[in-house]
Amino acid sequence: AQKITQTQPGMFVQEKEAVTLDCTYDTSDPSYGLFWYKQPSSGEMIFLIYQGSYDQQNATEGRYSLNFQKARKSANLVISASQLGDSAMYFCAMIPRTNDMRFGAGTRLTVKP
Amino acid sequence: DSGVTQTPKHLITATGQRVTLRCSPRSGDLSVYWYQQSLDQGLQFLIQYYNGEERAKGNILERFSAQQFPDLHSELNLSSLELGDSALYFCASSVSGARETQYFGPGTRLLVL
Repeated sequence: AQKITQTQPGMFVQEKEAVTLDCTYDTSDPSYGLFWYKQPSSGEMIFLIYQGSYDQQNATEGRYSLNFQKARKSANLVISASQLGDSAMYFCAMIPRTNDMRFGAGTRLTVKP
Repeated sequence: DSGVTQTPKHLITATGQRVTLRCSPRSGDLSVYWYQQSLDQGLQFLIQYYNGEERAKGNILERFSAQQFPDLHSELNLSSLELGDSALYFCASSVSGARETQYFGPGTRLLVL
């Protein structure tokens, strides 16, 4: 079964520190895409970063980077220099060959001043 | 603002009723996706359309149906509504419908009483 696991229901980080949000996935498809989305309390889903399964380099987008370890099937999100506005739910997602995107249960990140 | 629009923002209705949710994709995007986010089931993929044709199907109930029109907007029809259908319904869009970044609309919050 294609499954996404986020083992951290909640995380705290001090403002300006870096934080890693964990994500593991399970698929037998050789070609897939991995995503991270942010959902603030207002409810919208904001795209953060994308990693293709054949990409050799880890994806980066500003303060966000994706630590992609293919053999371990992990796709952790690293947020550097946390800001108060980073407080939100973060969802890891995978889109397999069948195009039905699967989401993890999410991690609630709280940034402390 | 992702460029994806959804109407209405909020909907309150009674059990047994039927509602229609509407989505307009980003300019240039040919594919639309529908997702349901509920407290007990998390984020679930419902269905994908590409240029008017159904492309992928997820956990969509038989009481639910969708379509994409020639102008590329999409509608999700929910009928014989039950209390458990109360959820946040998202529409997302992407350029070609392959394994690529999907941009989400603000969602329609449905409450079934």
